[in-house]
Amino acid sequence: NAGVTQTPKFQVLKTGQSMTLQCAQDMNHEYMSWYRQDPGMGLRLIHYSVGAGITDQGEVPNGYNVSRSTTEDFPLRLLSAAPSQTSVYFCASSLDFTGANVLTFGAGSRLTVL
Amino acid sequence: GENVEQHPSTLSVQEGDSAVIKCTYSDSASNYFPWYKQELGKRPQLIIDIRSNVGEKKDQRIAVTLNKTAKHFSLHITETQPEDSAVYFCAANSGGSNYKLTFGKGTLLTVNP
Repeated sequence: NAGVTQTPKFQVLKTGQSMTLQCAQDMNHEYMSWYRQDPGMGLRLIHYSVGAGITDQGEVPNGYNVSRSTTEDFPLRLLSAAPSQTSVYFCASSLDFTGANVLTFGAGSRLTVL
Repeated sequence: GENVEQHPSTLSVQEGDSAVIKCTYSDSASNYFPWYKQELGKRPQLIIDIRSNVGEKKDQRIAVTLNKTAKHFSLHITETQPEDSAVYFCAANSGGSNYKLTFGKGTLLTVNP
């Protein structure tokens, strides 16, 4: 099992450009989520999904879109990048989310918006 | 929603000493409290967790305590080693059917040889 795979690992964008961060898991996990990590701010939840076709907002959803067409994939889209979206992004999944399940994190994607 | 406060933000100890990191939470319905360790440049990984029906849990040199009345929980690391140096995050779930895990802002632990 590869676990949770994120691509790309690094990306530089110009303000206003769009891009998609990819996340895939091969563990048949129902729950998937995206977090952003900024210095001194911890991990903040952007969006999450509890199954194919079901997504919802987290703590900091503005400027990001998600979709979940398959169990395996949960891409994060930035429609018009802003410097405030410079961050490290982590995708995380768990078998389900009864509220007490271990999150498996991807290796992270470092995004810089100029 | 849930609010998780974590202290201290940085902690420096000598090898062999103990380290304690404390967190408070706001949602009285929260019932799951994990701790994640993140080494420099790596992904967060779970090191220990506790559920609300338990007051303390140990795993070798690591222990977590929970006080539901006061809404706080703590991570205790004994006999610290240089490889314990990392950022530690506490977290709490939102009660009920809310599928969210809220993290504290992290504690940078440095263990000096």
